[in-house]
Amino acid sequence: AQKVTQAQTEISVVEKEDVTLDCVYETRDTTYYLFWYKQPPSGELVFLIRRNSFDEQNEISGRYSWNFQKSTSSFNFTITASQVVDSAVYFCALSEAIQGAQKLVFGQGTRLTINP
Amino acid sequence: GAVVSQHPSRVICKSGTSVKIECRSLDFQATTMFWYRQFPKQSLMLMATSNEGSKATYEQGVEKDKFLINHASLTLSTLTVTSAHPEDSSFYICSAIRRGNTIYFGEGSWLTVV
Repeated sequence: AQKVTQAQTEISVVEKEDVTLDCVYETRDTTYYLFWYKQPPSGELVFLIRRNSFDEQNEISGRYSWNFQKSTSSFNFTITASQVVDSAVYFCALSEAIQGAQKLVFGQGTRLTINP
Repeated sequence: GAVVSQHPSRVICKSGTSVKIECRSLDFQATTMFWYRQFPKQSLMLMATSNEGSKATYEQGVEKDKFLINHASLTLSTLTVTSAHPEDSSFYICSAIRRGNTIYFGEGSWLTVV
């Protein structure tokens, strides 16, 4: 069975600090996708990144960066120079591929609070 | 703009009544949609896979007679919560798969049963 673990339930930092959100996953599939979503209080899921299991290159997008390590089954997310607007719940997710369609298995989420 | 739209965004219903939530793909056809549920301060859990023209596939522990899913067209899936109870109060969100395996989520629907 597939599983995603986000061990950090809540993180609170002061603005401008860097913060890393951890994500560890389990799967027997050789092909899979990993995702990060941001969920503000309004509830919608804001897509941040999708990473293919064959692509282990780290990615940077502005203040966001992701570290994908297949050897440790981890897909960590770092926010550099955090801002108050980054406050939200962040979910890591893993896809099951079923005939081209994908359903997601989500981690428990990490509630990130950036204090001014 | 939104690619997948959910309606209503918020609904309050009385205990014992039924409520329908719609999930529409706006500019693409979706043969498969997924319904998730999220209780307060918890994660999102897959409830069921909605298949156009056939019966939905429910995850273990989800009552198919209580959560009726109808995927009558390639752009619309509906979730009906029947005989709602306060414990059904939750955030319900759908997703649809676009060509190329891109996943789009709806805006979500907050259900409160009083």
